[in-house]
Amino acid sequence: KNEVEQSPQNLTAQEGEFITINCSYSVGISALHWLQQHPGGGIVSLFMLSSGKKKHGRLIATINIQEKHSSLHITASHPRDSAVYICAVRHTDKLIFGTGTRLQVFP
Amino acid sequence: DAGVIQSPRHEVTEMGQEVTLRCKPISGHDYLFWYRQTMMRGLELLIYFNNNVPIDDSGMPEDRFSAKMPNASFSTLKIQPSEPRDSAVYFCASSRLAGSTGELFFGEGSRLTVL
Repeated sequence: KNEVEQSPQNLTAQEGEFITINCSYSVGISALHWLQQHPGGGIVSLFMLSSGKKKHGRLIATINIQEKHSSLHITASHPRDSAVYICAVRHTDKLIFGTGTRLQVFP
Repeated sequence: DAGVIQSPRHEVTEMGQEVTLRCKPISGHDYLFWYRQTMMRGLELLIYFNNNVPIDDSGMPEDRFSAKMPNASFSTLKIQPSEPRDSAVYFCASSRLAGSTGELFFGEGSRLTVL
């Protein structure tokens, strides 16, 4: 069993829909990262969380430390949100990555 | 700051050749990470440095891989000899860690193809 599990693996949405991507982990962490990777592109850090909730524009990330679970929400999704979203947890000094969620948003 | 800078962006080489990938971290960041990304295995940590010192190289696949950080502004990842299974995108990332506040910044990656 992977230490970091994401769901779903693939997600298709219509423009404007509300999207949720989930991440569960089984190790002790000091922080959790949500990363975005566009096709053929580099990796961008969207959020780093150690508790509670953060919001940047249409993106919201939450974490529940007791339940070892985090969610990434996208409100009013847009085709430019199409990318792979990766959850990564910081365990000691290392990052452990989930396998990613491939999101496609259609107009 | 220009961010984490990696070179080359793309490299195509033949099996058996030496490959050197380069990374310049963000100034002031004291952690540097090398990752490899493949379709089959996703992102994997190869090695990381703290204050130029290698801390954990347990992710380095085998002796053909080596990494150095001669100073705070430069690191290399070398593969010698290269093999087709080394084909992947190699990312460098840097961070200034202070407890849980160390946000991670990635380079654009170096796409390696070994024929």
